Amino acid sequence: DSGVTQTPKHLITATGQRVTLRCSPRSGDLSVYWYQQSLDQGLQFLIQYYNGEERAKGNILERFSAQQFPDLHSELNLSSLELGDSALYFCASSVGGVSGGLGSYNEQFFGPGTRLTVL
Amino acid sequence: GNSVTQMEGPVTLSEEAFLTINCTYTATGYPSLFWYVQYPGEGLQLLLKATKADDKGSNKGFEATYRKETTSFHLEKGSVQVSDSAVYFCALTDTGRRALTFGSGTRLQVQP
Repeated sequence: DSGVTQTPKHLITATGQRVTLRCSPRSGDLSVYWYQQSLDQGLQFLIQYYNGEERAKGNILERFSAQQFPDLHSELNLSSLELGDSALYFCASSVGGVSGGLGSYNEQFFGPGTRLTVL
Repeated sequence: GNSVTQMEGPVTLSEEAFLTINCTYTATGYPSLFWYVQYPGEGLQLLLKATKADDKGSNKGFEATYRKETTSFHLEKGSVQVSDSAVYFCALTDTGRRALTFGSGTRLQVQP
């Protein structure tokens, strides 16, 4: 158990709908990252928040948005859903906002994921 | 931009066989390199890491050495077990970039 929780575990919805995925980071972690895992695109970074503020953006579609709340939990909102949005969405958390480089690293701990199926 | 290339799977081995999963990378700055493992139905777990050139990461019998001259970080284990069956991801972060860039993953199947 990584200490990162994600809800719901599974989500089935229809094209054109909107869903919200929720992530609670490990106690004490200030950074939250969202990743998408799909068969055709693999594991891709979507977006990062640190202590409530957006820190980095990856391959996140304009139809997707996220936020981090004062209690540090984060939500990923997916709207106007398409069949191709079906994927596993992972949340990860770390203590700090910077990972990697010059001998330093803030380990990212991953949640169990939310499996989204768009029909 | 950053990229990670790892060998295609699935890799099927018999128990106690030697494992190598190749990983090469392209990155700017001073990347840190990682191997993550994903067991069926679970999230990713950090298996090992190396944060600078010539570092060797090791954990649970797995090893990988950060080779800057060949831009590689191959995963090895001397004797695999059935319980090692999982998907293995090579990944990196570089200076100033916070998120992980992952390879495509390699599925390992170990048969008794």
